[in-house]
Amino acid sequence: AQTVTQSQPEMSVQEAETVTLSCTYDTSESDYYLFWYKQPPSRQMILVIRQEAYKQQNATENRFSVNFQKAAKSFSLKISDSQLGDAAMYFCAYLGEYGNKLVFGAGTILRVKS
Amino acid sequence: EPEVTQTPSHQVTQMGQEVILRCVPISNHLYFYWYRQILGQKVEFLVSFYNNEISEKSEIFDDQFSVERPDGSNFTLKIRSTKLEDSAMYFCAAQRGRGENEQFFGPGTRLTVL
Repeated sequence: AQTVTQSQPEMSVQEAETVTLSCTYDTSESDYYLFWYKQPPSRQMILVIRQEAYKQQNATENRFSVNFQKAAKSFSLKISDSQLGDAAMYFCAYLGEYGNKLVFGAGTILRVKS
Repeated sequence: EPEVTQTPSHQVTQMGQEVILRCVPISNHLYFYWYRQILGQKVEFLVSFYNNEISEKSEIFDDQFSVERPDGSNFTLKIRSTKLEDSAMYFCAAQRGRGENEQFFGPGTRLTVL
């Protein structure tokens, strides 16, 4: 079974600085998808960024980018120019190519200091 | 942009009572999911539903749980006899098709069992 590990329960960053959230996963599949979801205090699940495993190029979405290392099974999220609105719980998630369920990590609470 | 909606936003019930959580997925999406998040913990997969039947379910999804799509629009999760440990946030999600890897989440229903 696939597992997703987020080893940082909590991270802090100064406003306008850069922060990196770590995620590792375990799978025997060769094709899959990886996601970062943001969960603000409202508890809504918001998709931040996704990465297809067959793509070597790291995904970017404005201030959010990933460092996808397939061999190391690592998928970190970098948030540049952090804003107060970025404060939330961030979940890393895995979806197998033929799977039909997301497997989530335990989450990282991100605090942004002004 | 079409959204997944869920009702109610918050449900309070007594232990042993039946509850029905409702979801209206995006109309042209074919795969539907329920996930659960106990407060402070990770998001866990409960069940996936396709073509009017369950395609996969987790160990959590025991005989107390059932899902159905009675009228082609609403997608419901029923808990027959609620327990204290069923208190959680329940998220519905929809996916367009097997090759479409993004799952769109509803805002969640907070279930409190007293």
